[in-house]
Amino acid sequence: DVKVTQSSRYLVKRTGEKVFLECVQDMDHENMFWYRQDPGLGLRLIYFSYDVKMKEKGDIPEGYSVSREKKERFSLILESASTNQTSMYLCASSTGTLILYEQYFGPGTRLTVT
Amino acid sequence: DAKTTQPNSMESNEEEPVHLPCNHSTISGTDYIHWYRQLPSQGPEYVIHGLTSNVNNRMASLAIAEDRKSSTLILHRATLRDAAVYYCILRDANTGNQFYFGTGTSLTVIP
Repeated sequence: DVKVTQSSRYLVKRTGEKVFLECVQDMDHENMFWYRQDPGLGLRLIYFSYDVKMKEKGDIPEGYSVSREKKERFSLILESASTNQTSMYLCASSTGTLILYEQYFGPGTRLTVT
Repeated sequence: DAKTTQPNSMESNEEEPVHLPCNHSTISGTDYIHWYRQLPSQGPEYVIHGLTSNVNNRMASLAIAEDRKSSTLILHRATLRDAAVYYCILRDANTGNQFYFGTGTSLTVIP
């Protein structure tokens, strides 16, 4: 069964802290994605990666960075967390070079920055 | 990427069919129409996708207008488990790495 796991379901951090959100997929997928989801705004793409050590900016990359050292793992980093980064963060993966294939999502991490 | 428009919310009685509409008047010839849904406290899950012809799978059917400017997701018999937010998304076959989810339609199923 397909699986995307995220390191935490809930996380509380203080303003200015460095935050790591981890995502692991067990499907040998080439592509991985980080989204944030906010009420009234739907899902917005932060970064995606189509190969190890490759990354592309999405719609809202400011304040975030990513790391993909291994195929199965894609990390989202908040260098200095701010209250406006309080959100639900969703990781996804997919296969296929034409990117027509479905994306598989993790359960999400609800991050609160105080 | 072309954008989609969906109603904010809909209601359906249990075991009745549900038709969820989506408008995408600026769709291009290479845009595929995808539907995802998000159950409470879960990440989105794939439902169905199509290009021009109507599509059926075990979860739902997708009816695409002849001019492709709109589509309808059909749940043949709504169950309580189908209560979710349904997203209609366009993905370009050439550059379709990115999803633009929008705010979707929140479906309530009434027992």
